[in-house]
Amino acid sequence: DIQMTQSPSSLSASVGDRVTITCQASQDITNYLNWYQHKPGKAPKLLIYDGSNLETGVPSRFSGGGFGTDFTLTISSLQPEDVATYYCQQFDILPPIFGPGTKVHIK
Amino acid sequence: EVQLVESGGGLVQPGGSLRLSCAASGFTFNRHSFNWVRQAPGRGLEWISYIAGSSDTVYYADSVQGRFTISRDNGKNALYLQMNNLRAEDTAVYYCARDMVGVGRVVCDLWGQGTLVTVSS
Repeated sequence: DIQMTQSPSSLSASVGDRVTITCQASQDITNYLNWYQHKPGKAPKLLIYDGSNLETGVPSRFSGGGFGTDFTLTISSLQPEDVATYYCQQFDILPPIFGPGTKVHIK
Repeated sequence: EVQLVESGGGLVQPGGSLRLSCAASGFTFNRHSFNWVRQAPGRGLEWISYIAGSSDTVYYADSVQGRFTISRDNGKNALYLQMNNLRAEDTAVYYCARDMVGVGRVVCDLWGQGTLVTVSS
């Protein structure tokens, strides 16, 4: 199975800060990488698919990048409603493994 | 309204069985493949099963292979997960998740709110 790692595991930043989360795959997955946002008690939400495509309705402060094995999710200006856990997920090869998650807090 | 609503969770003893359902509405159900994804307490998301639109292709995670069965009824706009021989480690919130149409891979663009399964004596 492909292994997915994320860093950091948690972060704390101020409102308005630029925040970047990284995700690394254990082998080349081209751009078959999704990012999800998950708030406690809520349904997970797709933010980014195919590495860099913004899902419809997702605020433009979210962006994704990368190719091959290294990927990033960036929030250009952190907002209070962005407090959540963020997961990357590869969908190149079954099983579609999720990363361990990054918890984002507000300072 | 476009939505997925899971049901069927609850408390079950180890070795027992449970059947989860997911009711879909607001979109053309048979155009999409679906997945079950779970989250154990304090853990991250774990994909456990996939079913194609016509049910001709199904996949399972190793952790549930041979114990869980995914199915769907396109006439009823419903997805199911039959869970047998349940273990304590199956305790989790179970989510049904719709795949983006036309991708042919697991890209979950719509999720339900989840249903809690607790396996305990």
